[in-house]
Amino acid sequence: EIVMTQSPATLSVSPGERATLSCRASQSVSSNLAWYQQKPGQAPRLLIYGASTRATGIPARFSGSGSGTEFTLTISSLQSEDFAVYYCQQYNNWPPRTFGQGTKVEIK
Amino acid sequence: QVQLQESGPGLVKPSQTLSLTCTVSGGSISSGGYYWSWIRQHPGKGLEWIGYIYYSGSTYYNPSLKSRVTISVDTSKNQFSLKLSSVTAADTAVYYCARERIAVAGTPFDYWGQGTLVTVSS
Repeated sequence: EIVMTQSPATLSVSPGERATLSCRASQSVSSNLAWYQQKPGQAPRLLIYGASTRATGIPARFSGSGSGTEFTLTISSLQSEDFAVYYCQQYNNWPPRTFGQGTKVEIK
Repeated sequence: QVQLQESGPGLVKPSQTLSLTCTVSGGSISSGGYYWSWIRQHPGKGLEWIGYIYYSGSTYYNPSLKSRVTISVDTSKNQFSLKLSSVTAADTAVYYCARERIAVAGTPFDYWGQGTLVTVSS
């Protein structure tokens, strides 16, 4: 099973600032990496797939990069609606599908 | 627009079997091309993939839960279901159903249900 490790656990950022979230895989997942956003009481929402492709309707301030074992999600200028928990997920080596433990982006 | 909706009891007694159903609308399970998964989230924790089913009935389960999980499909009702046996308090979680498109390299979960909280308690 591939273990996904996200850092930091919590990121405190002021509105308008940049947020950089990291995700590391225990072995290569190529570019088969997705990012999800989850707000309280809601299901996760797909943001990024293929490590860097935005899903339909996702604003351009969200960008993903990386391949192999190291990945980054960047939110260029945080808006109030972006404060949430973000999960990475690999879909390269499966099953099982595996997720990171999440990074909470909170208001500084 | 595809929509998924979970349903089932919100409270299950320890040692009993948890049973949930996911109803799919806006698309047909039997059209193929997708895996239909169950995913759970323990309170305040991360996401755990439970398993998937294809419309033909083929399944794959997370090895960590395999001995207790059964996923089935009813294409006539456009539903798929989860049964988790011998539950304990550790199975208390929000349970989601989700869809992923079948591809050689795999794809992410593009549609999710809203989730349903199942509490295991006597």
